[in-house]
Amino acid sequence: GAGVSQSPSNKVTEKGKDVELRCDPISGHTALYWYRQSLGQGLEFLIYFQGNSAPDKSGLPSDRFSAERTGGSVSTLTIQRTQQEDSAVYLCASSPSLLAGGGTQYFGPGTRLLVL
Amino acid sequence: QKEVEQDPGPLSVPEGAIVSLNCTYSNSAFQYFMWYRQYSRKGPELLMYTYSSGNKEDGRFTAQVDKSSKYISLFIRDSQPSDSATYLCASYNFNKFYFGSGTKLNVKP
Repeated sequence: GAGVSQSPSNKVTEKGKDVELRCDPISGHTALYWYRQSLGQGLEFLIYFQGNSAPDKSGLPSDRFSAERTGGSVSTLTIQRTQQEDSAVYLCASSPSLLAGGGTQYFGPGTRLLVL
Repeated sequence: QKEVEQDPGPLSVPEGAIVSLNCTYSNSAFQYFMWYRQYSRKGPELLMYTYSSGNKEDGRFTAQVDKSSKYISLFIRDSQPSDSATYLCASYNFNKFYFGSGTKLNVKP
């Protein structure tokens, strides 16, 4: 069956440009998570959605970052006025419901963002 | 201080060796602990999931949690070259996940 998909798989952009990263979760999964993974670093938790709602946006690194989810499905992570330190792999994961105690998240392959 | 700390390695072992991967965490409220495996240029996949203290075994993998010392471990028996990957420990609290930086493991044939 189809897993979590992300697009684009790779993105090269110039400093100061805006980028949009897309995540298509597994069909029927109500919870969706965004992470950032920098070289040699672990996964940095950015934001989660339950349905279309993101109750806690405190993990977003700055106000240049925003995320939305529509129709309880596709999510978009937008980075405005990109900076070189935004270069990283952005990972999306989904799970059947908001996890009461952790457990199985299904990760996509990630979008590799390079800001020149 | 990060909520979850992990030795980045790399760790290189011969095929068949027992591998021990370790993490520490700082928040005594953490109850749920996970180990993920991540192959190069892929997303992480869940290997083991444990609640509170104790051991959990699944095939060649054993996860261990010691809440008194805030220490979590993953043991891999009879390691195989296909186990070569980055292993990430994680914990979960109030709808947020906290990951270690990952340990890169290389199992040599």
